[in-house]
Amino acid sequence: AQKVTQAQTEISVVEKEDVTLDCVYETRDTTYYLFWYKQPPSGELVFLIRRNSFDEQNEISGRYSWNFQKSTSSFNFTITASQVVDSAVYFCALMDGPDSWGKLQFGAGTQVVVTP
Amino acid sequence: DSGVTQTPKHLITATGQRVTLRCSPRSGDLSVYWYQQSLDQGLQFLIQYYNGEERAKGNILERFSAQQFPDLHSELNLSSLELGDSALYFCASSGGTGTYNEQFFGPGTRLTVL
Repeated sequence: AQKVTQAQTEISVVEKEDVTLDCVYETRDTTYYLFWYKQPPSGELVFLIRRNSFDEQNEISGRYSWNFQKSTSSFNFTITASQVVDSAVYFCALMDGPDSWGKLQFGAGTQVVVTP
Repeated sequence: DSGVTQTPKHLITATGQRVTLRCSPRSGDLSVYWYQQSLDQGLQFLIQYYNGEERAKGNILERFSAQQFPDLHSELNLSSLELGDSALYFCASSGGTGTYNEQFFGPGTRLTVL
């Protein structure tokens, strides 16, 4: 069963618009970790953020922000004032335990297209 | 640049053949992970090594095997290749002893099986 759901397959925005990527996860464990990765057209996977299940504080890093809500099992990602360089596929991933420690379980990804 | 290197970048081979993909982790990282990215399966965890020992296994086929050497580099061996093995294979590494640390990915090896 899919443990990470990224329901949005593709989002297209015009530069300077904000874009929010949804991520819903499923786990029975109380300790788990959530991640976001970016895969630009060049193909490499770039680490963006890791949050643990005990830290529900929202995080902001430049134009990026993350909203973690355990009540709805969601870990959404917002890009503010998008730029063309933000065009990429973004993956949300879950690491839970105990049999899954070390294994990143990725969602299907959301393709973000930012046009000038 | 994540600091993780993978060779080769591209590999084209025929069905039934065997190939070896190589990965060098970031300096100081003891854990190495292998993932497969394909259009139909998405990003799938294959296997993890920590300081030379296998630590976790995912949906890795029996035709696939991996190892981590004393200098911490790792190799993924794919044998009896099938068309469906065509994919992008990523290596990642992480530091410390915690397997919940963030993983840093290499550029990947694109395998095409003809």
